[in-house]
Amino acid sequence: NAGVTQTPKFRILKIGQSMTLQCAQDMNHNYMYWYRQDPGMGLKLIYYSVGAGITDKGEVPNGYNVSRSTTEDFPLRLELAAPSQTSVYFCASSLSNRLAGTNTGELFFGEGSRLTVL
Amino acid sequence: GNSVTQMEGPVTLSEEAFLTINCTYTATGYPSLFWYVQYPGEGLQLLLKATKADDKGSNKGFEATYRKETTSFHLEKGSVQVSDSAVYFCALGRGYNKLIFGAGTRLAVHP
Repeated sequence: NAGVTQTPKFRILKIGQSMTLQCAQDMNHNYMYWYRQDPGMGLKLIYYSVGAGITDKGEVPNGYNVSRSTTEDFPLRLELAAPSQTSVYFCASSLSNRLAGTNTGELFFGEGSRLTVL
Repeated sequence: GNSVTQMEGPVTLSEEAFLTINCTYTATGYPSLFWYVQYPGEGLQLLLKATKADDKGSNKGFEATYRKETTSFHLEKGSVQVSDSAVYFCALGRGYNKLIFGAGTRLAVHP
């Protein structure tokens, strides 16, 4: 069971560089999310998507972009990387309540991508 | 607004000790409440949840009761094991299953 797969697991960027964090899920989930995790701060929602072609901002979207061209994939794009974007990034997916039944609300997380901007 | 407050860690216990991790929330309406656990080097995974007031979620010996009157969802376990060492996150659910997380509490259990 692959679940939610993120690549790369580790990356070091220079200030001003750009990169894309990849996320793929094989559970046919309609909802997908990107969170960042900073020490002592919990997880903050960057962007989310409720289905292919539909994306929306979360709490901390500045400096990021996303797209959702297929149900399976939800890449996160960092343009002009800044030291403030040094963090661990988690992709997650879930089913809408209508589809999930008693499992409503459960998110499935990838293993994370650790990004350092120097 | 919506927010979750957890007790600060780290929490250090000996094996077989009783565990309580406090969690309180602020929210409009009556959200679902969750505890997620993160083992070293891994993503978060659902530990337990409660969807309405007075519900008790339970899993792997952990329990938490949704208390509307005190806006709390404290996590408890009667006898912790070394394998329970992890970071525990309290969260509340909003539309489209978006989660609002607390800061996390690190638990270290020693033999």
